[in-house]
Amino acid sequence: GESVGLHLPTLSVQEGDNSIINCAYSNSASDYFIWYKQESGKGPQFIIDIRSNMDKRQGQRVTVLLNKTVKHLSLQIAATQPGDSAVYFCAENRGGRETSGSRLTFGEGTQLTVNP
Amino acid sequence: GAGVSQSPSNKVTEKGKDVELRCDPISGHTALYWYRQSLGQGLEFLIYFQGNSAPDKSGLPSDRFSAERTGGSVSTLTIQRTQQEDSAVYLCASSLAVSSSGNTIYFGEGSWLTVV
Repeated sequence: GESVGLHLPTLSVQEGDNSIINCAYSNSASDYFIWYKQESGKGPQFIIDIRSNMDKRQGQRVTVLLNKTVKHLSLQIAATQPGDSAVYFCAENRGGRETSGSRLTFGEGTQLTVNP
Repeated sequence: GAGVSQSPSNKVTEKGKDVELRCDPISGHTALYWYRQSLGQGLEFLIYFQGNSAPDKSGLPSDRFSAERTGGSVSTLTIQRTQQEDSAVYLCASSLAVSSSGNTIYFGEGSWLTVV
């Protein structure tokens, strides 16, 4: 079935390094993508989103890249800090007509560990 | 309220008992979503509401699960005759609307359900 998935279940980086978390999706009709951060014992926290008419979007210390040709999404975190340690989920939102609804399909998540 | 509020935050119940989980979305948000997350897993869509109606109930795992929303605000998720496999975190989320792609979806902290 169609799904959103992540290449690596875990990623370990040194404090101060840049982190890149990858995500592959299979639904070419998806038009909106979101990255969430989930710390232990908490709900997912919105980080950044991107629409399908864009290739790149930057936030504070984060950048999301979208490659529609190969259906690939990535999250780049600059100067990674210990507080960035969490599970990161990518999600796709098909949006579209109201009758079809709008909901998120999540990948399995990548556990990012930042070593001091 | 400022964010999505869920209660109870933790619930331990005996197998076979019914449980009710409550979600209070962000004020003004017409769309409300329920997801389930098992330990160490991604998020599984259950149901969403647009206003008080639920156009998509396809994610509900069985007829023991039901949800309602009244007054376009608070929603309750009810699990009847709970089973041990129902143990999970039940996450509620809300967004301004459903029909337009790109409405940010905000999550609550979840209700942690343990069935013993």
